[in-house]
Amino acid sequence: DTEVTQTPKHLVMGMTNKKSLKCEQHMGHRAMYWYKQKAKKPPELMFVYSYEKLSINESVPSRFSPECPNSSLLNLHLHALQPEDSALYLCASSQDRIAGNYNEQFFGPGTRLTVL
Amino acid sequence: SQQGEEDPQALSIQEGENATMNCSYKTSINNLQWYRQNSGRGLVHLILIRSNEREKHSGRLRVTLDTSKKSSSLLITASRAADTASYFCATAVAAGNKLTFGGGTRVLVKP
Repeated sequence: DTEVTQTPKHLVMGMTNKKSLKCEQHMGHRAMYWYKQKAKKPPELMFVYSYEKLSINESVPSRFSPECPNSSLLNLHLHALQPEDSALYLCASSQDRIAGNYNEQFFGPGTRLTVL
Repeated sequence: SQQGEEDPQALSIQEGENATMNCSYKTSINNLQWYRQNSGRGLVHLILIRSNEREKHSGRLRVTLDTSKKSSSLLITASRAADTASYFCATAVAAGNKLTFGGGTRVLVKP
C-alpha cells in the first residue's frame, strides 16, 4: 500500500467550531507532515513528526493542534479558526531520516477547508 | 519563507514539444526534488537529485543541478496533455525532515 489517505475531502466550519483532519499511511514511514496550501501558491510546511514526536513546528498558531497517536496516523485539530485559514491542507509521509539523506515525500490528496 | 524561485511562472506548449522550467535556491542543500500537482490535488514525487549529482533522468524527465549557481532545471520531453499540471521544486537542507518548496510553474500542454 503506497497511499496516504486524508479525511474528510472537504470541510466547511464556522469560526467557533472544533473539527479534526485525519491522515493515515501504511507504508511504515516514520516521518509525517502537515502542509497548508493556498490557491496558486506552494505548500507551506506546518508540522513534522518523526517517530511520533513533534520535531518541527513552523511557528503555527495554537488554533492548529497536531497529534500523532501512532506511527500510521496523524491528526490536525482545529479550533477557533479564521477565514484566512481556508486552504488545502496536505498530509505527507516519508521514510525515517537516514543520516545525511532525505527521502521523497508521499502526499495525500488533501482536505479542502473553508472557514466561514 | 520560500527557498526556491521558479521560472517561468506559467508555460503553454503544444503536445509533443519540450517543456523546460528552472528553479533557483538560496542556501546550501542536501538534495533537490521535483513534484507535480494536478489541479487542487496532492503532490506526486517525480525525481530527487542529490547535491553531489549533476544530472538525472527518469523516463521523459531530465533534471540538472548546478550547485555553484544554486539552480536546477526540469525538462519534460515530448510533452502530453496529461503533463498539464503545476510543477514544484523543493529543497532539503541539512537540518531535519524539512522540504521548502519553490513558487511553482503552471504548465499547460495543448492537444
